[in-house]
Amino acid sequence: GAGVSQSPRYKVAKRGQDVALRCDPISGHVSLFWYQQALGQGPEFLTYFQNEAQLDKSGLPSDRFFAERPEGSVSTLKIQRTQQEDSAVYLCASSLGDAQETQYFGPGTRLLVL
Amino acid sequence: RKEVEQDPGPFNVPEGATVAFNCTYSNSASQSFFWYRQDCRKEPKLLMSVYSSGNEDGRFTAQLNRASQYISLLIRDSKLSDSATYLCVVKRSGGYQKVTFGTGTKLQVIP
Repeated sequence: GAGVSQSPRYKVAKRGQDVALRCDPISGHVSLFWYQQALGQGPEFLTYFQNEAQLDKSGLPSDRFFAERPEGSVSTLKIQRTQQEDSAVYLCASSLGDAQETQYFGPGTRLLVL
Repeated sequence: RKEVEQDPGPFNVPEGATVAFNCTYSNSASQSFFWYRQDCRKEPKLLMSVYSSGNEDGRFTAQLNRASQYISLLIRDSKLSDSATYLCVVKRSGGYQKVTFGTGTKLQVIP
C-alpha cells in the first residue's frame, strides 16, 4: 500500500521567501508528526496532530513556522520569511493511533535557503 | 545535557564483525525505546523496539538497562548492507507519542 508521501522533494528558496511543504499520511492514520533534520543530526520534533487537532507545537522554532491539518489527513508546514538556518530536511511521519507506537516516515522535503 | 545521547561514530568494521552501540537517556520517565535505521539521504525506518527483557531479531539484539538509563544494539555477523546510521529513539510515558531521537551512530561495514 501507499506510504507517507511528501512534496516537493526538494525546494530551493531565497531568504525571505515563504514556503509550504505538504505531507500525505498513510490513509486512516490518526497521528501526524513533523520533524526537522539538520545535516548530521537526528530528527528534531516540531509538531504533532491527532486528526485535525494540533496537540503539541512546542518544537516549532519560531512564529515563522506554522502547521495545519484542516481535514485530519493532509498536512502543510509553512515557513514564512525563510532564513538560512531553516535549511534542513523536513520529515513527516504518521502512525495509526495513540496506541500504535510505530511511526512511518515520508521521504522528506530537502529545503535549501540561499 | 541532551535528552538522548549517542556516539556519532563512524564505526568502521569489517564484514562479519560484531558491533555494539549504546545510547543513554536522561529522562527517567522514559517508557518506550526503539532503534531506527536511516540510510543516506533516506527516511528513518523502524529497526526494532527495545523491551525490558531484551529482544532479538536475527542478527540484531537490543537491550535496555533502566537502572543506568541506556539501551544498546548489538549487530552480529555484520553485512555490507548494514551500513547506515542507527538512531536511538525514546518515548516518554503518558500522553501521546512524542518521541526524542538521538543524533545517530554511523556504521560503515567494510569489505
